[in-house]
Amino acid sequence: NAGVTQTPKFQVLKTGQSMTLQCAQDMNHEYMSWYRQDPGMGLRLIHYSVGAGITDQGEVPNGYNVSRSTTEDFPLRLLSAAPSQTSVYFCASTRNYEQYFGPGTRLTVT
Amino acid sequence: QKEVEQDPGPLSVPEGAIVSLNCTYSNSAFQYFMWYRQYSRKGPELLMYTYSSGNKEDGRFTAQVDKSSKYISLFIRDSQPSDSATYLCAMSAKEVRTSYGKLTFGQGTILTVHP
Repeated sequence: NAGVTQTPKFQVLKTGQSMTLQCAQDMNHEYMSWYRQDPGMGLRLIHYSVGAGITDQGEVPNGYNVSRSTTEDFPLRLLSAAPSQTSVYFCASTRNYEQYFGPGTRLTVT
Repeated sequence: QKEVEQDPGPLSVPEGAIVSLNCTYSNSAFQYFMWYRQYSRKGPELLMYTYSSGNKEDGRFTAQVDKSSKYISLFIRDSQPSDSATYLCAMSAKEVRTSYGKLTFGQGTILTVHP
């Protein structure tokens, strides 16, 4: 039981490049979320999903897309990377009242 | 003004001290209150969960919620160097599973417990 896994652990992008951050969970949780964590800002919700095929926007969705074709996977796509997207990204899945977080992806956009 | 305010610290205490971490919030609809612990370069993990007002104790940790003051606290007794981490408060107006995991987090407080 791996819990929530995220790949890659680190990534450097140039402005304008696109990429996909991968997230997978093996706990059969319906609810999954993406957060970004910036110094002094705590965790801010980007997008979330309540099940396969259903996604919605969080607090800071601009510049990001998501899809949920299976219960297990919830990838986050950066369409055209900007320096403001330099951050640590966490994926989480939820059961009852507890959110299980992945180890994070550290993204730098130059 | 942020919905949830948390003093980012950093807070440095000697081993064995009692630590008090606090958050204030402005949204009176918040009913579910959580504390997460995050070690360096790791994802947050749930430490305490409280519904509505009152106290909850788990070992060396006590969570308090005062909804009338919109104020929550986490107390750590007999603090240990292994408690050194960032502590994040989080809140939700609905039960997390029906709010679909949508939590509002504080900024996090960096705690160091030195031997």
